[in-house]
Amino acid sequence: GQQLNQSPQSMFIQEGEDVSMNCTSSSIFNTWLWYKQDPGEGPVLLIALYKAGELTSNGRLTAQFGITRKDSFLNISASIPSDVGIYFCAGQRFQGAQKLVFGQGTRLTINP
Amino acid sequence: SAVISQKPSRDICQRGTSLTIQCQVDSQVTMMFWYRQQPGQSLTLIATANQGSEATYESGFVIDKFPISRPNLTFSTLTVSNMSPEDSSIYLCSVKGQGAYGYTFGSGTRLTVV
Repeated sequence: GQQLNQSPQSMFIQEGEDVSMNCTSSSIFNTWLWYKQDPGEGPVLLIALYKAGELTSNGRLTAQFGITRKDSFLNISASIPSDVGIYFCAGQRFQGAQKLVFGQGTRLTINP
Repeated sequence: SAVISQKPSRDICQRGTSLTIQCQVDSQVTMMFWYRQQPGQSLTLIATANQGSEATYESGFVIDKFPISRPNLTFSTLTVSNMSPEDSSIYLCSVKGQGAYGYTFGSGTRLTVV
């Protein structure tokens, strides 16, 4: 099925560093969502974006809905050990669409 | 957001058998979904569970292999039938309430087929 192109696939950083990941698509999306999945758990919603150009923060996390509606990025500032996990972007194609399309995920590893 | 209880959390099953996974939500929700997450992979939608009617399956997934029930607005089951090792995955229930914040996931069922 259709997937979003998420990059990078993995990141190895030092504690305290900033992190940036993004998702792109050839199609327009109406909503962008960013999830984090810890081992043995289901994905947990971090940030939801509804409008092109929207910039939203949740603590140390900041995400933006691309102006073309075909991309989104997530930044994490001053990473800490509990940020370790897999981050997924997800998109909703159009108003009224009930299904989500997921990116391939970014696995974040932090060296203390 | 809704709270989802998914059971079992994990299981090891013999090939050729079937496993039914339950998804219980603490509030009535309009949409319920079942996903598969193969090892090291992203989430793939299996089907949308429709209350009172047959589920809507995505391409590559069929009812005979993944029968789904949804008797009411708070409960659904997914059965993985005639299992093979290729069915070893995490199966996740998801629900949608009002707005995008309603896309909540259960903790998943980790299935190993031997």
